[in-house]
Amino acid sequence: DQQVKQNSPSLSVQEGRISILNCDYTNSMFDYFLWYKKYPAEGPTFLISISSIKDKNEDGRFTVFLNKSAKHLSLHIVPSQPGDSAVYFCAASLTYSGAGSYQLTFGKGTKLSVIP
Amino acid sequence: ETGVTQSPTHLIKTRGQQVTLRCSSQSGHNTVSWYQQALGQGPQFIFQYYREEENGRGNFPPRFSGLQFPNYSSELNVNALELDDSALYLCASSLQGYSNEQFFGPGTRLTVL
Repeated sequence: DQQVKQNSPSLSVQEGRISILNCDYTNSMFDYFLWYKKYPAEGPTFLISISSIKDKNEDGRFTVFLNKSAKHLSLHIVPSQPGDSAVYFCAASLTYSGAGSYQLTFGKGTKLSVIP
Repeated sequence: ETGVTQSPTHLIKTRGQQVTLRCSSQSGHNTVSWYQQALGQGPQFIFQYYREEENGRGNFPPRFSGLQFPNYSSELNVNALELDDSALYLCASSLQGYSNEQFFGPGTRLTVL
């Protein structure tokens, strides 16, 4: 039972255009969401996160949107650059006792290719 | 600031053997989590250590065990290796009670023959 789903295994975008990566989740108890980028032979790199009390968080070229009623989040990259080509993972966590992240539940990832 | 480091980078073992993987957390972090990433999949949570005790466990059998040391570094031990244990093992560190973000090391690629 996959609690975090990334239904698009791959996405190709022209350099300079917007990349939109999508993620759906089933567990309504998740209250914190994160995006990670992963290059081959490296560990995932944290990109941006959002708490369930917000619906948008922005950091430079990266914006994450959260739609709690639809249990859906998306990552927008504007403008896309060739260096953004990587696998992007959506992750969700459940904060308990105010003590921080218990565990991260990941999707299977979306491979983004930005074409020059 | 030192990032998360893991050793070894690669490891080849045979079925039935035991393996120990090591992780040094990012400076200032007190919590270590371990994940298994099979080919084509997202990382799967194995367990988390905080204050030298297991602080949560995913759906992995008891032959997966761990330790956290007073300097917050950690070990993952896997006994009676099976072919399906072949994967990338990722360690992530975080600061419990401060932030939900976890920061990952480069991983250890384990191949079981």
